Amino acid sequence: GESVGLHLPTLSVQEGDNSIINCAYSNSASDYFIWYKQESGKGPQFIIDIRSNMDKRQGQRVTVLLNKTVKHLSLQIAATQPGDSAVYFCAEPKNTGNQFYFGTGTSLTVIP
Amino acid sequence: DTAVSQTPKYLVTQMGNDKSIKCEQNLGHDTMYWYKQDSKKFLKIMFSYNNKELIINETVPNRFSPKSPDKAHLNLHINSLELGDSAVYFCASSWGQGDNYGYTFGSGTRLTVV
Repeated sequence: GESVGLHLPTLSVQEGDNSIINCAYSNSASDYFIWYKQESGKGPQFIIDIRSNMDKRQGQRVTVLLNKTVKHLSLQIAATQPGDSAVYFCAEPKNTGNQFYFGTGTSLTVIP
Repeated sequence: DTAVSQTPKYLVTQMGNDKSIKCEQNLGHDTMYWYKQDSKKFLKIMFSYNNKELIINETVPNRFSPKSPDKAHLNLHINSLELGDSAVYFCASSWGQGDNYGYTFGSGTRLTVV
């Protein structure tokens, strides 16, 4: 399953399938991006980050891809599990101070 | 040990009341934040403190007043609560600018104004 974070805020996938969550960012000068996962009733939690000098970064079952040309990030989750159900945010730094701008978020639901 | 802890987790109060939310971090971070999350899950920064000093104050009504007695604590006091203040408020902390300055969030305080 695939989503565009700003235009399709919900994504449903079957357990075991791969998920792709997309995010468009605004500032071409942004040099650092973070993906957060927010489970129901909890605060956002760091998943993976990427610097602008990289196109791809892999973690455990997650991969982040960065396309600076079109200012686009994606988070790929392999073999999606019920525990992956959450809202996912991409975040980019704002120009002023140590502050991040959080995207709209995409709600991922995993169907058992 | 909880890294960033907020109290209370739930707060239900009437319009016009004054209430406070407390936040403490035991990570030794220099910077602390308050974020507001609305019903559509949109996260918006309200305030940021670096080592007890206010560095970010977004367009927030002056009914909201943060206080940082030391760099491990950032409390949020809200006067004359309004219905529109109902939201989830998150405290967060970070090391500050540098190579890695992602946030560690608390678990949130769900404020309901009736």
